[in-house]
Amino acid sequence: GAGVSQSPRYKVAKRGQDVALRCDPISGHVSLFWYQQALGQGPEFLTYFQNEAQLDKSGLPSDRFFAERPEGSVSTLKIQRTQQEDSAVYLCASSLVGHEETQYFGPGTRLLVL
Amino acid sequence: AQSVAQPEDQVNVAEGNPLTVKCTYSVSGNPYLFWYVQYPNRGLQFLLKYITGDNLVKGSYGFEAEFNKSQTSFHLKKPSALVSDSALYFCAVRALDTGRRALTFGSGTRLQVQP
Repeated sequence: GAGVSQSPRYKVAKRGQDVALRCDPISGHVSLFWYQQALGQGPEFLTYFQNEAQLDKSGLPSDRFFAERPEGSVSTLKIQRTQQEDSAVYLCASSLVGHEETQYFGPGTRLLVL
Repeated sequence: AQSVAQPEDQVNVAEGNPLTVKCTYSVSGNPYLFWYVQYPNRGLQFLLKYITGDNLVKGSYGFEAEFNKSQTSFHLKKPSALVSDSALYFCAVRALDTGRRALTFGSGTRLQVQP
């Protein structure tokens, strides 16, 4: 079946622009996660949804970062007034709900802020 | 707080030889432990996980990992490396006993298998 899909795959933004990154999780997956992966680093947690509820946003680095999942399926990560330090790969993952769930990752969106 | 250490930035091994990629972790309570692999321009692919039970976990593509509670380690192993195993490998941990579902990843180890 289809895996997690993300769009766009690449995004170039000028500093100060707003960007929106989309994630389509695996069908039926209740949990959805966003991670940020800087060059040469492991992914770092940003936020977590269970259905449409955002249960953990402790990893969002600033109030310029905002995520939503209004219908409990597709999610959008929005970054306002982008800065150069926002340049990274943004990974989305989804999983079935349950304490032993495995997270399945999408291919990521590579964001470059100039 | 939880953390993962992957002490080797790169591991080089000849094709056909056994390989080990090291991982140690720190977490409050019991851990869930994971290994993921990342190929260029692709997302993370799940390899294997430890939840409870047998300390030796078998996963995809002939990989296995051994959970050692006393050493807080979860090293990834394969008896015979293939050139196609060359990729970036990430170890990750999650605490079993908390409600927090986020994974904490190590910084990754690049595996290079030479023909």
